[in-house]
Amino acid sequence: DTAVSQTPKYLVTQMGNDKSIKCEQNLGHDTMYWYKQDSKKFLKIMFSYNNKELIINETVPNRFSPKSPDKAHLNLHINSLELGDSAVYFCASSRDRGGSPLHFGNGTRLTVT
Amino acid sequence: EDQVTQSPEALRLQEGESSSLNCSYTVSGLRGLFWYRQDPGKGPEFLFTLYSAGEEKEKERLKATLTKKESFLHITAPKPEDSATYLCAVINQAGTALIFGKGTTLSVSS
Repeated sequence: DTAVSQTPKYLVTQMGNDKSIKCEQNLGHDTMYWYKQDSKKFLKIMFSYNNKELIINETVPNRFSPKSPDKAHLNLHINSLELGDSAVYFCASSRDRGGSPLHFGNGTRLTVT
Repeated sequence: EDQVTQSPEALRLQEGESSSLNCSYTVSGLRGLFWYRQDPGKGPEFLFTLYSAGEEKEKERLKATLTKKESFLHITAPKPEDSATYLCAVINQAGTALIFGKGTTLSVSS
């Protein structure tokens, strides 16, 4: 019954590797997001898709590439991982892009060694 | 630039000791202000949305209020299970994603 689910929950990898995080929502929402939470717990928007169309692309390195195969899924692929990429990545969804509340997954803790 | 500032960063209360958390914001046309609760190892959990100054929302021991410059989350007679990080976020009229504050970590001891 999980509304927004992310996999994996934990990801430990070495510098230079490529990894992906998957996200699925079963709420029927049109808009999905990726947020990054740093070690100080600050949540910052990375990307947003509305009906599979990219609508927000904040200042994020090109090594990060989101992909939305359909409006229920938003995946995040990261190339050439760096130490500074270590953080918790949250997927979220909302009914629309116009101010409705976001529903978050439980996060993926990425550790780059 | 849209900005959200929360205070205090951390708050320790005794069970039953009421208090308030503050969220000050500057935004280019407020479309909505949101309060979330985040427990360790979990994603933020939605609590309230406030849309206009003067609006108030309540849920159990929590009450959120909104003015043109800030929002307060009042906690009445807190219990240990209210311990969490409380996050405030805003969305502007352009309808882009939520902009979060850094949160207030609340600890309630019995």
